[in-house]
Amino acid sequence: EVQLVQSGAEVKKPGESLKISCKGSGYRFTTSWIGWVRQMPGKGLDWLGIIYPGDSDTRYSPSVQGQVTISADKSVSTAYLQWSSLRASDTAMYYCAKVGFSGYEADYWGQGTLVTVSS
Amino acid sequence: QSALTQPPSASGSPGQSVTISCTGTSSDVGANNYVSWYQQHPGKAPKLMIYGVTKRPSGVPDRFSGSKSGNTASLTVSGLQAEDEADYYCSSYAGNNNPRVFGTGTRVTVL
Repeated sequence: EVQLVQSGAEVKKPGESLKISCKGSGYRFTTSWIGWVRQMPGKGLDWLGIIYPGDSDTRYSPSVQGQVTISADKSVSTAYLQWSSLRASDTAMYYCAKVGFSGYEADYWGQGTLVTVSS
Repeated sequence: QSALTQPPSASGSPGQSVTISCTGTSSDVGANNYVSWYQQHPGKAPKLMIYGVTKRPSGVPDRFSGSKSGNTASLTVSGLQAEDEADYYCSSYAGNNNPRVFGTGTRVTVL
């Protein structure tokens, strides 16, 4: 059974750093893209970027380029999303999602990680 | 890169059909057959309902169908049921410089 298990909720202050994780199981982690999706409170879904764990090829949405870093450690089947300096506007639910066989759809999703940034 | 445009809301009575549009441009929806649709219930993660414009993943009822014409894709839910009440988002591949883009989302209400 394919599963994506994300790390728990975080409460941080503006300017702090953060790294959240997404552990995949039940499939070959290195040969499927994984994407990160943001959902701000009461808002829609935004793609942040995708990574191919096999070679760490990463593509970012132009709207977040330089604001977040996506990485993966294939030795532990885990993808990461990190910030070096959080802002209040980063408060959101973050989902990871495995990209399906065709290479373009998100066929399995993690449960989400709620990130709250507040002074 | 702007989000794809969806109507904010749609509704229908049980048993009726509802169709949601997703309008993009010749750089995304109109440029490929990689449109997918997601259902999201409140407080839950999204669920894939349609991919490759018309394909249904295993386990998705055949009441859900997808189509595309030019720069606009559509999701039709036939025989509406109470559990179909949710938010629906389209998504499209948008080229190497912007790997994916979502639609603005549509809330479907079953009257």
